[in-house]
Amino acid sequence: GAGVSQTPSNKVTEKGKYVELRCDPISGHTALYWYRQSLGQGPEFLIYFQGTGAADDSGLPNDRFFAVRPEGSVSTLKIQRTERGDSAVYLCASSMNRYNEQFFGPGTRLTVL
Amino acid sequence: ILNVEQSPQSLHVQEGDSTNFTCSFPSSNFYALHWYRWETAKSPEALFVMTLNGDEKKKGRISATLNTKEGYSYLYIKGSQPEDSATYLCALNNNDMRFGAGTRLTVKP
Repeated sequence: GAGVSQTPSNKVTEKGKYVELRCDPISGHTALYWYRQSLGQGPEFLIYFQGTGAADDSGLPNDRFFAVRPEGSVSTLKIQRTERGDSAVYLCASSMNRYNEQFFGPGTRLTVL
Repeated sequence: ILNVEQSPQSLHVQEGDSTNFTCSFPSSNFYALHWYRWETAKSPEALFVMTLNGDEKKKGRISATLNTKEGYSYLYIKGSQPEDSATYLCALNNNDMRFGAGTRLTVKP
């Protein structure tokens, strides 16, 4: 079956611009996670959705970052006024529920010039 | 905040060698510990989910143990092969997911 997909695979933008990153989870997975991975680091937790609601957004670095999952399936991570420090690989993962193994998408590589 | 430490940071072994690496954590206050295998340019792949003290899981040549009382999990690879080369990530599942920085394994033919 289809795995987790993320679009775009690469995004280059200029400092100060707004970007949206999309995640399509595995069908039926209620839990969805966003992570950010910088070179040499493990994935850094950003936000966790259970269904449509953000159950834990404690990892969002500041109020420029926001994520939605309006119908409990596809999720969009939104970054306003991008900064060069936002450059990273943004990973999405989904699981049957919060206790199960997570299946990761291929990531979106964001580069802010 | 649960800080997840992984050691060593990187490891080079010869084909056929067995190896192991460590994930350590300060508290047993989590729902599960996850091990992932992450090859370059691919998505992280789940290896094991472990929940109970004393858990032992095995998948082929790879196995893992969990000791929540002493705060560590070991991942073992028996008879390493070049295709085992990857970064091995440990993560604690609590209200969020805390990943370690990973152990980068290189297996030389």
